[in-house]
Amino acid sequence: GQQVMQIPQYQHVQEGEDFTTYCNSSTTLSNIQWYKQRPGGHPVFLIQLVKSGEVKKQKRLTFQFGEAKKNSSLHITATQTTDVGTYFCAGTDLGAGSYQLTFGKGTKLSVIP
Amino acid sequence: DTEVTQTPKHLVMGMTNKKSLKCEQHMGHRAMYWYKQKAKKPPELMFVYSYEKLSINESVPSRFSPECPNSSLLNLHLHALQPEDSALYLCASSQVPGQGAEQYFGPGTRLTVT
Repeated sequence: GQQVMQIPQYQHVQEGEDFTTYCNSSTTLSNIQWYKQRPGGHPVFLIQLVKSGEVKKQKRLTFQFGEAKKNSSLHITATQTTDVGTYFCAGTDLGAGSYQLTFGKGTKLSVIP
Repeated sequence: DTEVTQTPKHLVMGMTNKKSLKCEQHMGHRAMYWYKQKAKKPPELMFVYSYEKLSINESVPSRFSPECPNSSLLNLHLHALQPEDSALYLCASSQVPGQGAEQYFGPGTRLTVT
């Protein structure tokens, strides 16, 4: 079945440093979504990428979808304490005949003030 | 209104109890989902309802019984649960089932089975 690997599992950064989390899929994805879950909270949708090589920005967050549509990354520039949480990627593989999301294991970001 | 609501927020139940979790959305979404999330793990899909019909059951034990009374409501009936079923149960909805449908998650019900 489809697998989505995400690294690193944990990342501790000093406030102001950059942060990147990476996702790799065992199959070609139809799209990839990113979610953020604050401690004690629930996943909140951040963005969706659909096109090969797509890059999208949201303020300090930059999302990329690989050319082969098998990998993706989320980069945060100059982290702030409000960025703390777990970031999940989640992919859909219509080629597998399924439209549900397969979540990566998440990257837990801690920001040291 | 872009909110998914869930009740109760917390639930403690014994292994012989019967309880229900409730989820509601008023965004006109036609797909609704139940996920189970253990600590430090990603959400794990349990059920998908598409246009009020159960379309996906991810081999969930029969002690979990979903119900979709109408397009806005989703219930999860619990009976004879095990301690390992203790987790955060998340409801989500999306506009339509299918590619690219972003999912809106509710705050979850934190379930403890004693």
